[in-house]
Amino acid sequence: DQQVKQNSPSLSVQEGRISILNCDYTNSMFDYFLWYKKYPAEGPTFLISISSIKDKNEDGRFTVFLNKSAKHLSLHIVPSQPGDSAVYFCAARYKGGSEKLVFGKGTKLTVNP
Amino acid sequence: NAGVTQTPKFRILKIGQSMTLQCAQDMNHNYMYWYRQDPGMGLKLIYYSVGAGITDKGEVPNGYNVSRSTTEDFPLRLELAAPSQTSVYFCASSYATGGRSQPQHFGDGTRLSIL
Repeated sequence: DQQVKQNSPSLSVQEGRISILNCDYTNSMFDYFLWYKKYPAEGPTFLISISSIKDKNEDGRFTVFLNKSAKHLSLHIVPSQPGDSAVYFCAARYKGGSEKLVFGKGTKLTVNP
Repeated sequence: NAGVTQTPKFRILKIGQSMTLQCAQDMNHNYMYWYRQDPGMGLKLIYYSVGAGITDKGEVPNGYNVSRSTTEDFPLRLELAAPSQTSVYFCASSYATGGRSQPQHFGDGTRLSIL
C-alpha cells in the first residue's frame, strides 16, 4: 500500500513555462516532506523541503506547496529549463525523529527547448 | 569533497553467490541508510544506522545484513543472492541531532544484476 503517491509517471513542458509536479500522501504521521531530483546514473539530490507547519516554501525557481487537509503537495518550477529534465521524487518523513523517508515512484519531467 | 562514495558501480552475480556493497561518507554524518530502487519504483529503505554500532531494519530487510563499525562506513551484505535482489542500490547519509536534521545525501548507486 503506497503511502506516498506520484500519479503522473511523466510530464512534458516547454522551456520557459511552469512545471507542476504533484504528490499525494495517506499517512497523517508524516511531518516533513522533501523533493529530490535524479539524473540518469546518478543518485538523487535534494531540491527543496517543507515542514507540515507551513503551506509554502520557496527557493529560487522552485516552490513547494502543502495542503494538509487534502494530504497533497506540489512542486512548481518557474521558469522551466532544459536542465530541469530529470526524475523528481517526493518523499515524506515520519513524526518522532526517526529520519526514515518514504518515497513516491517518481515523475519524469522533460523540458523541451 | 567526495560526499557519499559507493563501490562497485556495477556488478553481476550468480544465484547463491554473496557480496558486499561498500559505502563510505566523509561528511561526519551520524545517520546512514541503504535503499534499493527497482525499475519504475521509488526508493525502498533496506537498513539504516543512527550511529556506529547501531543498526535497524527498514521496509525491505530480508536477504540483507549490515554493520556499522565506524562513522564513515556502512557496508551492505548479500549472503545468498537471488534474482529478486536485482536492483539499483543507493547509500545515503545525513546529520540529525536534538530534533533538527538535514536532508539525506545520496551516493551514485550500485547497479546489481543476479543471473
